[in-house]
Amino acid sequence: DIQMTQSPSSLSASVGDRVTITCRASQDIANYLAWFQQKPGKAPKSLILAATTLESGVPSRFSGSGSGTDFTLTITNLQPEDFATYYCQHYNHYPHTFGQGTKLEIK
Amino acid sequence: QVQLQESGPGLVKPSQTLSLTCTVSGGSITYGDYCWIWIRQPAGRGLESIGRVCTGGNTVYIPSLRSRVTISVDASKNQFSLKLNSVTAADTAVYYCARTRPYGVGDLIDSWGQGTLVTVSS
Repeated sequence: DIQMTQSPSSLSASVGDRVTITCRASQDIANYLAWFQQKPGKAPKSLILAATTLESGVPSRFSGSGSGTDFTLTITNLQPEDFATYYCQHYNHYPHTFGQGTKLEIK
Repeated sequence: QVQLQESGPGLVKPSQTLSLTCTVSGGSITYGDYCWIWIRQPAGRGLESIGRVCTGGNTVYIPSLRSRVTISVDASKNQFSLKLNSVTAADTAVYYCARTRPYGVGDLIDSWGQGTLVTVSS
């Protein structure tokens, strides 16, 4: 199975900051990479598919980049509602595996 | 827009079988090129795929759970189910059902249930 490694595991930032989360796949997954946001007690919400494509309704302060094995999620101008846990996931074949998550906390 | 809802016991005794059902509304579970999947999340931890059943009936399970898990579809009730036997405390988690759709050579999660907590304890 493909392993997905996220870093950092946690991150402290302030409203208005820019943050970057990285995700590395153990083998080439082309652009079959999704990013999810999860808030406590809620199901994950899809933010980005195909490594760079924003889901409908997702604010443009979110962006994704990368292909192959190395990917990033960038959030600019952090808003209070962005403090959550973020997961990457590959989906080019089953089983899909997730990164271990990055918890974004308010500084 | 399809909606999914998990249901089942919130407490299961060790060594017994965990049984959950996911009811699908807003679309037929047998129509289209979809797969119906289960994912779990232990408290404070990450997301783990469990397995899936696709339209047409083929199933795939993750290797570490393959000997204990069964996922099946009840088309008459527009539901799919998860059975995990011989459970231990390590199986305590929030269990999510979800749907995937084809996307290129892969398949992408496009709908999630809200999740249900299952605790394994005597």
